[in-house]
Amino acid sequence: DTGVSQDPRHKITKRGQNVTFRCDPISEHNRLYWYRQTLGQGPEFLTYFQNEAQLEKSRLLSDRFSAERPKGSFSTLEIQRTEQGDSAMYLCASSQTETKAQYFGPGTRLLVL
Amino acid sequence: DAKTTQPNSMESNEEEPVHLPCNHSTISGTDYIHWYRQLPSQGPEYVIHGLTSNVNNRMASLAIAEDRKSSTLILHRATLRDAAVYYCILRLSVMDSNYQLIWGAGTKLIIKP
Repeated sequence: DTGVSQDPRHKITKRGQNVTFRCDPISEHNRLYWYRQTLGQGPEFLTYFQNEAQLEKSRLLSDRFSAERPKGSFSTLEIQRTEQGDSAMYLCASSQTETKAQYFGPGTRLLVL
Repeated sequence: DAKTTQPNSMESNEEEPVHLPCNHSTISGTDYIHWYRQLPSQGPEYVIHGLTSNVNNRMASLAIAEDRKSSTLILHRATLRDAAVYYCILRLSVMDSNYQLIWGAGTKLIIKP
C-alpha cells in the first residue's frame, strides 16, 4: 500500500510529557500537511511543508508544538509538555501540488491524562 | 474567513440518490469547492472538487450553482459504505493563504438499509 502512513496510531501519555508523531507521505508528494481534529469537528490546520521548508504555521500552534520534515520525506510533529487540551486526533496529509487533492493518513489519536 | 454551511445530518435509503447541500455565500472568484468524506475512525478521503462547472468522477457528481454561492454533492446510488461525515470545503486562493483548506463540521450521512 502506497498511501500516507502515520505512527503510532494511538498514544496515551501523562500531562507534562513530550510526544512525537511520525508521518510518511506518498512518495512523489512534496506537500505535507498536519491537522488536528477533536470530536465532532472538522480537521483544523496546524502546519504545511513544501519539500523540507515549513511554509506556514497556524496561529493556533503554540510554541510547545514543533514540526520537521528533514530531507523532504517523512515528517515529525512533537508536542512538548503536553496538556489535557492537546488530546485529539492528529492527521497528516500529502499532495502532489498545492492545488491537487490531499491524501490523508489514518491519524494518531492522542490522549493526555 | 470564507466558510461553508451544511446541515448537521441527513438520512437516505440504500440504493437511492443522495443530494448533500452546501452554502458558501462568501466565496471569492478563485476559491475552489472541495468535498471530502470521513468514515468512522479513518482519516478524511478526497471525493471531488470544482470551480465553476459541474464535475463528475467515479465517486460522485458536484453541481455548482451559477452564482457559485452554493453547491450540491450527488451520490447517485448510496450504499451502506457511503455512511460518513461529508465536508464541503473552500480551498482559498493563493492570495489568501497558500491554498489552505478551511473545514467546517460537515454533514453526517446516515444510510438506512
